[in-house]
Amino acid sequence: KAGVTQTPRYLIKTRGQQVTLSCSPISGHRSVSWYQQTPGQGLQFLFEYFSETQRNKGNFPGRFSGRQFSNSRSEMNVSTLELGDSALYLCASSLGQGKRGSSGNTIYFGEGSWLTVV
Amino acid sequence: GENVEQHPSTLSVQEGDSAVIKCTYSDSASNYFPWYKQELGKGPQLIIDIRSNVGEKKDQRIAVTLNKTAKHFSLHITETQPEDSAVYFCAPETGYSSASKIIFGSGTRLSIRP
Repeated sequence: KAGVTQTPRYLIKTRGQQVTLSCSPISGHRSVSWYQQTPGQGLQFLFEYFSETQRNKGNFPGRFSGRQFSNSRSEMNVSTLELGDSALYLCASSLGQGKRGSSGNTIYFGEGSWLTVV
Repeated sequence: GENVEQHPSTLSVQEGDSAVIKCTYSDSASNYFPWYKQELGKGPQLIIDIRSNVGEKKDQRIAVTLNKTAKHFSLHITETQPEDSAVYFCAPETGYSSASKIIFGSGTRLSIRP
């Protein structure tokens, strides 16, 4: 069974540009969530999508957006990039039903997309 | 907001010795207490978890202990090996988290000295 796949793995962008990151969840998983990881702020929740609807959102500006397609694949977009957006962006997938840790609802993370803004 | 504190931030132990990482939380309603391991270049991976109706859980060389009264839980790694070198995160379920919105601790970088 393939894991969570994120593309691209590495990218460099210039301030002011926009970027789109892609995530393919584990087959059968309907929930996809995104996290930003930086040395200073640690791991922070961005948003979660379930069945093409945003179900939860973290405390990030509107420049950060996402969407989910009918096949559960998800994309996140960051517009008007700032130097502080340089980070590892992690995608995670799960069945999305029931409490975390309940039977079958383990969350699996991808290897992330490294974004550098120059 | 929810307060999750993790200590120490870095830990270096001799191969074969034990390592202990502690996580303190503030939400008395928390009932799920997992630990994640993040190896270099990879995403976090769940390694062990415990629910509030249990005080301790072991899985080979790793264990998690819970003290609900004091609101903290700990990760114990015995007979450490080089492959245990990684960053470890606690992520207790809280009123501010949900099934997919995980609130992580600040992480502990564990280094195993040969």
